[in-house]
Amino acid sequence: EAGVAQSPRYKIIEKRQSVAFWCNPISGHATLYWYQQILGQGPKLLIQFQNNGVVDDSQLPKDRFSAERLKGVDSTLKIQPAKLEDSAVYLCASSLWGPMGSEYFGPGTRLTVT
Amino acid sequence: RKEVEQDPGPFNVPEGATVAFNCTYSNSASQSFFWYRQDCRKEPKLLMSVYSSGNEDGRFTAQLNRASQYISLLIRDSKLSDSATYLCVVKDGAGKSTFGDGTTLTVKP
Repeated sequence: EAGVAQSPRYKIIEKRQSVAFWCNPISGHATLYWYQQILGQGPKLLIQFQNNGVVDDSQLPKDRFSAERLKGVDSTLKIQPAKLEDSAVYLCASSLWGPMGSEYFGPGTRLTVT
Repeated sequence: RKEVEQDPGPFNVPEGATVAFNCTYSNSASQSFFWYRQDCRKEPKLLMSVYSSGNEDGRFTAQLNRASQYISLLIRDSKLSDSATYLCVVKDGAGKSTFGDGTTLTVKP
């Protein structure tokens, strides 16, 4: 079974530029998550989708971050404009629907904002 | 106060040692509990789910105490390959996960 795919793996941009990340979850997984992980911290949930609907985006900085999940499969996360403090690893995960479901993570995108 | 709290460590133990990690959570409505393992510069990977009755997988034992809002992970007979960061994860009824900041373990020869 293929895992969660993410691209790009690395990205370096200057502050105030924009960037987009892509995620393809495990086939059949209805729930998709985007996390931000800053060095030395645990992943922080940015947004959770159930199929193509948003379940939780309470921690998404909506003035600069946006996300969508096209047709309930692939998802993109965008930052515009980027700030220095956005430097982090952006992880995508997917799981089967339900509170008992464990999550499977992609390899992440390491973003550096200079 | 963080929703999920872990002792960051580091825990430095010799091979063969037994080591225990603790995690506390503040949301009494939490429904699912997990331990993940994260190697340096890699993504988190599920180690095991945690059930009220406790569960064991080889050298790893997880316990949940709902009354005290406390989760534990016990590793017996530590191996060099167990060196990693261990993340405690708590999910609410909507499937929203909250991660602790992790406990770092280094197993030395």
